[in-house]
Amino acid sequence: SSELTQDPAVSVALGQTVRITCQGDSLRSYYASWYQQKPGQAPVLVIYGKNNRPSGIPDRFSGSSSGNTASLTITGAQAEDEADYYCNSRDSSGNHLRVFGGGTKLTVL
Amino acid sequence: QLQLQESGPGLVKPSETLSLTCTVSGGSISSSSYYWGWIRQPPGKGLEWIGSIYYSGSTYYNPSLKSRVTISVDTSKNQFSLKLSSVTAADTAVYYCAREVSTVTGLDAFDIWGQGTMVTVSS
Repeated sequence: SSELTQDPAVSVALGQTVRITCQGDSLRSYYASWYQQKPGQAPVLVIYGKNNRPSGIPDRFSGSSSGNTASLTITGAQAEDEADYYCNSRDSSGNHLRVFGGGTKLTVL
Repeated sequence: QLQLQESGPGLVKPSETLSLTCTVSGGSISSSSYYWGWIRQPPGKGLEWIGSIYYSGSTYYNPSLKSRVTISVDTSKNQFSLKLSSVTAADTAVYYCAREVSTVTGLDAFDIWGQGTMVTVSS
């Protein structure tokens, strides 16, 4: 099995840059995907693969990875970016198993 | 535009089986490019992957739920379904279905989600 660890809460001043991290052994071998979830809404994919954004996701969202840590960076955070963010990746066993991080609550001040 | 819609009872009694269906519209569930997954979220908590299925019927389950979960696909109806047996209050959650991209190069993602359906386990 595998675990992905995220900081429970992060804050950022409006217009500044924030990095949300996700740690786990499986990230040494597999990419993370990142999801934004606002209250009462379904999650939305914001980053997947090495650094891919689905259509409609602003380019202020970017992804990176180093060792056992994947990061989601928001450059120039906006008020509408306040949300919960979850990472997801494969299980370290290499089978088609998926695991989510515990989520990070982002507050834009 | 592809859309997913969950349906099923919003209230299930303890020890009974939770059954949900996800209807796919605007595209074919038989596409070889995708898997189809179920994810849940207890009130106030994080996301938990339940399992995924390929159109051929191959299934993959969260080890912590594997003994109680069955996911099936009906390509003729463009639907896939979730059954979770012996439910308890801990299974109370919003249940989402989602389309899953998965490639040999590791480009994995749940790229399209249903709106979610709340299921409460209570007598």
